[in-house]
Amino acid sequence: DAKTTQPNSMESNEEEPVHLPCNHSTISGTDYIHWYRQLPSQGPEYVIHGLTSNVNNRMASLAIAEDRKSSTLILHRATLRDAAVYYCILRGRGSTLGRLYFGRGTQLTVWP
Amino acid sequence: NAGVTQTPKFQVLKTGQSMTLQCAQDMNHNSMYWYRQDPGMGLRLIYYSASEGTTDKGEVPNGYNVSRLNKREFSLRLESAAPSQTSVYFCASSPLDRGTNQPQHFGDGTRLSIL
Repeated sequence: DAKTTQPNSMESNEEEPVHLPCNHSTISGTDYIHWYRQLPSQGPEYVIHGLTSNVNNRMASLAIAEDRKSSTLILHRATLRDAAVYYCILRGRGSTLGRLYFGRGTQLTVWP
Repeated sequence: NAGVTQTPKFQVLKTGQSMTLQCAQDMNHNSMYWYRQDPGMGLRLIYYSASEGTTDKGEVPNGYNVSRLNKREFSLRLESAAPSQTSVYFCASSPLDRGTNQPQHFGDGTRLSIL
């Protein structure tokens, strides 16, 4: 599975949008881009995933660059509960079933 | 909804002791996983079970054994605990993937300290 690069930390104010970047320059054509987040003292929580097109769900939006070498997780209005470590993960279609490779992620701090 | 339940939540062991971490899911998922997370790091896969009756090694299997007891339960055993196994252990489950990228659902972890 290809590697991803994320900033170590980011900060935001409450109710402002947050754009969390992820670089994955070695992504293959069949790799999906997944995002998970981990709140303090909890297990990771699935956020969103996509392949080529931008994706939206109730938690966030995922914007994927046209060349797929980068993506951005968008939280439209940050809340204090969104303070967490966010992981960007690539998963190959047909890769070893179910394996997730976690890096260190981005620690998001949300200020009231 | 219970989801993925891990027991115990906390445990302290002495070096050389054995212990089994329990995990159960109530979502009728086929696949289950054990990860460990060391301070300031991401999760690393120890073992996984793609479906009932099968288990496979992950990135860091040494010092651990697993048992897929039935579809609901997947246990992780430390036969002779070592201080290097001090970590937070997470269990996860997902529907059978077959390349469809099913999300994984995680428990809240077992915090294990080995003295």
